[in-house]
Amino acid sequence: GENVEQHPSTLSVQEGDSAVIKCTYSDSASNYFPWYKQELGKRPQLIIDIRSNVGEKKDQRIAVTLNKTAKHFSLHITETQPEDSAVYFCAASRGGGGADGLTFGKGTHLIIQP
Amino acid sequence: EPEVTQTPSHQVTQMGQEVILRCVPISNHLYFYWYRQILGQKVEFLVSFYNNEISEKSEIFDDQFSVERPDGSNFTLKIRSTKLEDSAMYFCARTSGAVTGELFFGEGSRLTVL
Repeated sequence: GENVEQHPSTLSVQEGDSAVIKCTYSDSASNYFPWYKQELGKRPQLIIDIRSNVGEKKDQRIAVTLNKTAKHFSLHITETQPEDSAVYFCAASRGGGGADGLTFGKGTHLIIQP
Repeated sequence: EPEVTQTPSHQVTQMGQEVILRCVPISNHLYFYWYRQILGQKVEFLVSFYNNEISEKSEIFDDQFSVERPDGSNFTLKIRSTKLEDSAMYFCARTSGAVTGELFFGEGSRLTVL
């Protein structure tokens, strides 16, 4: 089955700086890669996703890049703000919207230092 | 789009007891999912459910687990004989209903097994 590795486990950055979280996956058939943000005690919330037919997607301060050949994808947050502090999870599946469940990484605790 | 509603928000049970967690999705969604998250760990896929049948299940979803949609609305996860290691947050999830298939989680049901 799919295996998703996520690094780093903890990331501390100064407010206003950029943060990058990286994930690798093992199943070459995976084609859907979402990122979730989870605040303490709350549910994971989808913040951005990318499909294997594109290499990059951007939404305001958040961007995701995908390298299918190397089987890795990354989350980039620019101009970080205190409210970006949370745990971020990457995930992979063979097809969003269908039966295939998401395989999640272990999460990155992002800390924004004021 | 509205999310799913989960009940109970928190349940405490004794080891060996049966537990039923409920999810009330919007009726026109096709795929439903159960995920769990042990405290401080990653989100893990349990099962997907389509057209009143299990579509896919993970290794975690063993014989002590079952899902059904008994009345066409509520979507339930039953744990037959709970163990200490079943203590976790259980999330019901749905897709957006479109081909893109973004996954949206409910607020979760926290299960504590004593």
